[in-house]
Amino acid sequence: DAGVIQSPRHEVTEMGQEVTLRCKPISGHDYLFWYRQTMMRGLELLIYFNNNVPIDDSGMPEDRFSAKMPNASFSTLKIQPSEPRDSAVYFCASRKGGFDQPQHFGDGTRLSIL
Amino acid sequence: DQQVKQNSPSLSVQEGRISILNCDYTNSMFDYFLWYKKYPAEGPTFLISISSIKDKNEDGRFTVFLNKSAKHLSLHIVPSQPGDSAVYFCAASAGGGGADGLTFGKGTHLIIQP
Repeated sequence: DAGVIQSPRHEVTEMGQEVTLRCKPISGHDYLFWYRQTMMRGLELLIYFNNNVPIDDSGMPEDRFSAKMPNASFSTLKIQPSEPRDSAVYFCASRKGGFDQPQHFGDGTRLSIL
Repeated sequence: DQQVKQNSPSLSVQEGRISILNCDYTNSMFDYFLWYKKYPAEGPTFLISISSIKDKNEDGRFTVFLNKSAKHLSLHIVPSQPGDSAVYFCAASAGGGGADGLTFGKGTHLIIQP
């Protein structure tokens, strides 16, 4: 079975540029989560979707961040404009069913903003 | 304020012995707890979970114990093997109350020595 697929694996770009991170969840999973990992704050939730609908975006740091899920097999996390403090590893995870089921993570996108 | 704490940044254990990783939490609304294992440049991999209605869950070499009154959980690995060397994250959710995102600890780096 294919796991959660994220692209790109690495992204290096200059401050002010638009960055788009992509995620394909496991087929049949109805929840999708975006997390960010930094040295200072560890792994933290940004936003999650249920059946393609955003449920909780309280973790999105500011208006420069936006996320969409146009269909059950694709989600994007966009940063515009990007800043050096956005440098982090961004993970996508998906889950099938209720809260007492585990989330399964992709291998992440390592983002560096110069 | 950290709601999930892993107070040991690292732990060294001899191969064949028991590894015990600890985690404390402060949010009494948490009702589902998970342990993830992470290798460098990969996403977290789900290991084992426990619902708040249980106090123990076992899967092969891995056992998770939950002490709700103390707000403490632990992961036991017996026997420890070289492939167990990784960073282990404790995570929790209050999904039964509609908060499906995971709150993570900062991780414990487990080193299995031959």
